[in-house]
Amino acid sequence: EEQVVETGGALIQPGGSLRLSCAASGFTVSSKYMSWVRQAPGKGLEWVSIIYISGERYYGDSVKGRFSISRDTSKNTIYLQMNALRAEDTAVYYCARDVGRSGSHYWGQGTLVTVSS
Amino acid sequence: QSALTQEASVSGTVGQKVTLSCTGNSNNVGSFVVVWYKQTSHGAPKTVMFGDSLPSGIPDRFSGSKSGTVASLTISGLQPEDEADYYCSTWDNSLSARVFGGGTELTVL
Repeated sequence: EEQVVETGGALIQPGGSLRLSCAASGFTVSSKYMSWVRQAPGKGLEWVSIIYISGERYYGDSVKGRFSISRDTSKNTIYLQMNALRAEDTAVYYCARDVGRSGSHYWGQGTLVTVSS
Repeated sequence: QSALTQEASVSGTVGQKVTLSCTGNSNNVGSFVVVWYKQTSHGAPKTVMFGDSLPSGIPDRFSGSKSGTVASLTISGLQPEDEADYYCSTWDNSLSARVFGGGTELTVL
């Protein structure tokens, strides 16, 4: 069974940094497109970032230059490094195994990031 | 303002057929597969349609289609457990980004 599990969410002060992890099982992260999607309290889904099988990476405008997606094939895990965090980054962050660029198939349960002083 | 436009809310009675729409442009919906998700009470989203293909485990009362720059998710024989928020997503070639719709709240009366 294909599964992803996110960890690393926390309460963090504005301007701080945090790294989220997404451990995969049932498939290898290097053979699939993988994404991060977030959902602010009471809001809809917002795409954050994607890493292609080739290693190409793309980001949403609201996080470009501050967030970075990566993968560790030895750990079968992808990461989201988040720097210069702002209050508006407060959200549940979901990791997902994608079906190409258009969307996701398997989702994790999400991890909560709260940016507040 | 979302790149893809969805109805804010749709309602139907048990057994009825309802159609949700996802409107974009030639750079997104018109060029790429649209994926649909169901989300209840802000739990994790669940994927219910890839284009016109059903993921395993999704009832066949769900169907997907696309005409030009409008994608649709149709639920035939609406059930109480279908009540949820539904989102669509696809890739946008001009933005080099995935885009989402704002979501449709489906109420089963």
